[in-house]
Amino acid sequence: SAVISQKPSRDICQRGTSLTIQCQVDSQVTMMFWYRQQPGQSLTLIATANQGSEATYESGFVIDKFPISRPNLTFSTLTVSNMSPEDSSIYLCSVEVWESSYNEQFFGPGTRLTVL
Amino acid sequence: SQQGEEDPQALSIQEGENATMNCSYKTSINNLQWYRQNSGRGLVHLILIRSNEREKHSGRLRVTLDTSKKSSSLLITASRAADTASYFCATDAGGTSYGKLTFGQGTILTVHP
Repeated sequence: SAVISQKPSRDICQRGTSLTIQCQVDSQVTMMFWYRQQPGQSLTLIATANQGSEATYESGFVIDKFPISRPNLTFSTLTVSNMSPEDSSIYLCSVEVWESSYNEQFFGPGTRLTVL
Repeated sequence: SQQGEEDPQALSIQEGENATMNCSYKTSINNLQWYRQNSGRGLVHLILIRSNEREKHSGRLRVTLDTSKKSSSLLITASRAADTASYFCATDAGGTSYGKLTFGQGTILTVHP
């Protein structure tokens, strides 16, 4: 398994500002993922963050809006840039861990973002 | 389009009853996973079932997978008030999408004491 922490746990931000969310894992992992969960909705994958390469973004998400860093195998950051109220969501990071012969994904506790 | 569709959207039962949630998906998968989320916080991994498996058990949880119908079900037996949460299925298509999960819309389960 993996223990994942995120900072901050929640924040209230003003329109037009940016927020950087940190994700820390207690073990080295190859693949880390960032998800968004809009109010009352399910989770949507934003991007895949691999160490040593550019993040891979899903359709509808761009690097200018959600820049991601992955400086090592235990840490990643997601920045929500030039925020608007539509960015109010829970942002979760996850990691993939191989257990026995199959992979499981473990999620961090999430960062609840409110944009005014 | 949304890969996973879950029903019911909301389920309300009494403590001790069984709860069954269903999930359907559209594309072929490598595995399907079920998660629980309490009060909009982080997700707790419940169980993973691989595409070549038909049924899996873990404690009070029973998951089935029918790849011919592209559907899965999660059964929670002898439910408890602490089981109150949102439950999501998520599919991993494998291949070039390996590790990327596509989530269903979720079922909100309320267990009344």
